[in-house]
Amino acid sequence: QKEVEQNSGPLSVPEGAIASLNCTYSDRGSQSFFWYRQYSGKSPELIMSIYSNGDKEDGRFTAQLNKASQYVSLLIRDSQPSDSATYLCAVQMFSGGYNKLIFGAGTRLAVHP
Amino acid sequence: DAGVTQSPTHLIKTRGQQVTLRCSPKSGHDTVSWYQQALGQGPQFIFQYYEEEERQRGNFPDRFSGHQFPNYSSELNVNALLLGDSALYLCASSEGRTFEKLFFGSGTQLSVL
Repeated sequence: QKEVEQNSGPLSVPEGAIASLNCTYSDRGSQSFFWYRQYSGKSPELIMSIYSNGDKEDGRFTAQLNKASQYVSLLIRDSQPSDSATYLCAVQMFSGGYNKLIFGAGTRLAVHP
Repeated sequence: DAGVTQSPTHLIKTRGQQVTLRCSPKSGHDTVSWYQQALGQGPQFIFQYYEEEERQRGNFPDRFSGHQFPNYSSELNVNALLLGDSALYLCASSEGRTFEKLFFGSGTQLSVL
């Protein structure tokens, strides 16, 4: 089982729709969760962080966390073609005596006009 | 305000050689993390440096080593290069030995022939 799992996609949504991106993780003790966006040929950039169960909203983005189910998601409302990118879920874990930030493989989102 | 800068941008090496990659963190940041990103995959955590010491480490062999200088800049060294080491190497900086609010550089694309 991978430590952080994401559907690789591509997830294709029409402009103006809600895009829903999902992520599961293996370490029940994880406390910090992040979503990064990576445009093709560019480096990742932080979109949101979430630490508590429930929803956290920032503009068109909402992160959702359910620690009991070991599940974190990202909703993008009113999707725009400029949102087309790979979305990386990252989870901070303690393993092998070290703290690590573990990334999923990413979900590719394509927003079509 | 300069962001995270990495050099070189591209590098070609042959198997068995050694390579050194360099990173200057964002102004005000004191912590540097290194990641390896293979094509189509998420970044894989190599290690984190804070106060000139390796503080956290991922699942990479000892061929991967690093250094942090008093000005917070950092180097990643890879010895005895393998074909499988071909990847994009990303440096990320943050404050205070955390994984919060990572800022990534543009990366060094390493090709091992």
